[in-house]
Amino acid sequence: KNEVEQSPQNLTAQEGEFITINCSYSVGISALHWLQQHPGGGIVSLFMLSSGKKKHGRLIATINIQEKHSSLHITASHPRDSAVYICAVNVSHRGSTLGRLYFGRGTQLTVWP
Amino acid sequence: NAGVTQTPKFQVLKTGQSMTLQCAQDMNHNSMYWYRQDPGMGLRLIYYSASEGTTDKGEVPNGYNVSRLNKREFSLRLESAAPSQTSVYFCASSEFRRGARETQYFGPGTRLLVL
Repeated sequence: KNEVEQSPQNLTAQEGEFITINCSYSVGISALHWLQQHPGGGIVSLFMLSSGKKKHGRLIATINIQEKHSSLHITASHPRDSAVYICAVNVSHRGSTLGRLYFGRGTQLTVWP
Repeated sequence: NAGVTQTPKFQVLKTGQSMTLQCAQDMNHNSMYWYRQDPGMGLRLIYYSASEGTTDKGEVPNGYNVSRLNKREFSLRLESAAPSQTSVYFCASSEFRRGARETQYFGPGTRLLVL
């Protein structure tokens, strides 16, 4: 059983559409991360959240701690947004603050012109 | 700053051969990690080093060893490669100050094929 579940697994959109990717987790966390992996393979961190909402350009990430759920939204999607989006969590361990991450399986997003 | 670098980028091994994957970071980070990424699965932690001089097993450590050579470098060794170790390997680092939530910075990955 994976502590972090993402949906959908694959997502196809037309340029300009509003995109939502969902992440749910089953453990106590200290932070949730959204990462982007481009076709070349490199992984970059987009957001780190512990509450509320963050926005960077056309990307918005929200988290609901009570419901153990986060969403990543992309407004006005563009073909260059095509990538794998990965949700990951820092799990709270009593007495430990180690920054280990547990990862979802990723959502493959393809945006067509 | 180069960030996190990994060598080699690609490698083909025969079953039973050994090799070492190298990772270095120039961000003065305390913590370093080795992950593997397989199709249909999330990144899985192989080993990590919370600080210089310490290493610990992650989720999938069997068949691997690590060395934290100094604060900058963290290597992953496959002593006797098996086809099940065909994967993409990522090294990452984070600052890790006690009580902080950490952003991890990833290297470009090493694609390993074991025949």
